[in-house]
Amino acid sequence: EVQLLESGGGLVQPGGSLRLSCAASGFSFVSHTMTWVRQSPGKELEWVSIITGSSGTIFYADSVKGRFTISRDNPKSTLYLQMNSLRAEDTAVYYCAKVATYHYSESGGYYIDAFDVWGRGTMVTVSS
Amino acid sequence: AIQMTQSPSSLSASIGDRVTITCRASQDIRNELGWYQQKPGKAPKLLIYAASSLQSGVPSRFSGSGSGTDFTLTVSSLQPEDFATYYCLQDYSFPYTFGQGTKVEI
Repeated sequence: EVQLLESGGGLVQPGGSLRLSCAASGFSFVSHTMTWVRQSPGKELEWVSIITGSSGTIFYADSVKGRFTISRDNPKSTLYLQMNSLRAEDTAVYYCAKVATYHYSESGGYYIDAFDVWGRGTMVTVSS
Repeated sequence: AIQMTQSPSSLSASIGDRVTITCRASQDIRNELGWYQQKPGKAPKLLIYAASSLQSGVPSRFSGSGSGTDFTLTVSSLQPEDFATYYCLQDYSFPYTFGQGTKVEI
């Protein structure tokens, strides 16, 4: 069974740091792009960051660029999100998700990403 | 960043109703759009990818259509377990962006 389990959330003061982990099982971790999505209380989903299997391609949302760092340890099948300079607006449930990538041959060829497996999430609260 | 605008933000429906939710992109995104369902306190679940492809295991009453800037998620006959919030997500360009969500209530 494909599973993702996040950990590392908690209460942290503004300006502090936290590292989230996402332990993957049941699939070839190295073969899949992985992503982080967050949801502030009562708010919509917000995409945070993405990393390819080789770690060769990484992108961030503008709201976290320069403060958050995504990484992965393929032998350990674990995804990470290092969060620094945390702000109150970073308070959210953080989900990791596995990305299924599909290739389309039209328009010169392109790829579609779908977040097909999600973890249960870990809560991060930034407050003094 | 590409803006995704969903409508309506909420709707009330009954069991057996046909429900349609729309998502509009601020620019052409081809068919690079997915639909996700989220129930309270739970992680989102993938329903549709590439605008119209049904994810494995998702009931056939769910369908998606559209390309370019206008997309639609349709539930042909609403079931009790379908009351949830639905989000669209564009994966055409970074940063990926979600719509603001549509809450489907009884």
